[in-house]
Amino acid sequence: DTEVTQTPKHLVMGMTNKKSLKCEQHMGHRAMYWYKQKAKKPPELMFVYSYEKLSINESVPSRFSPECPNSSLLNLHLHALQPEDSALYLCASSQLQDYNSPLHFGNGTRLTVT
Amino acid sequence: AQSVAQPEDQVNVAEGNPLTVKCTYSVSGNPYLFWYVQYPNRGLQFLLKYITGDNLVKGSYGFEAEFNKSQTSFHLKKPSALVSDSALYFCAVRDRAGGGNKLTFGTGTQLKVEL
Repeated sequence: DTEVTQTPKHLVMGMTNKKSLKCEQHMGHRAMYWYKQKAKKPPELMFVYSYEKLSINESVPSRFSPECPNSSLLNLHLHALQPEDSALYLCASSQLQDYNSPLHFGNGTRLTVT
Repeated sequence: AQSVAQPEDQVNVAEGNPLTVKCTYSVSGNPYLFWYVQYPNRGLQFLLKYITGDNLVKGSYGFEAEFNKSQTSFHLKKPSALVSDSALYFCAVRDRAGGGNKLTFGTGTQLKVEL
């Protein structure tokens, strides 16, 4: 079992809905990440938080809004999504945002936008 | 810019035989290299990493990888494959000299181990 917990596991939402994805880790990691993954493709980085501050935003559309309330929690707020946003959304954490810290991934939220 | 290539979309191997999943990289400085595995409907799991030192790195589940600087390769290997090793494998690199501290993933290689 993964030490990074993501909820919900599955989410179906309409294009006018507002929903949130949640991620939690209790490993004391100070860097947390959101990735988007399409089927059989590599994960694509969306956001990185380091010490609860946003350090990287990979030019993600504003309909995706990240939030890091504390060092253990990471949220991704969703609003007015498009069908092409349907994907597996992965949260990850690492000890620090440094070069040799491996990422620990959650099992993801499977999002379907109708 | 940093990049990673996994030249094989799929690798098939018989159970009990050795397996190799290939990875080559391109960085401007010295690399940090990683292998991850993804089972269906799961997140990625860290297998092993090369930072510095011994070119042969041992990781989880009997996997190992060999760093070859002259060939800019970091191939994943296992002496005896198991059916349960069937999964999607990603090589990844971070460039110590730059890259914005981003982890760049290869396109992935589907490993299928058959009885």
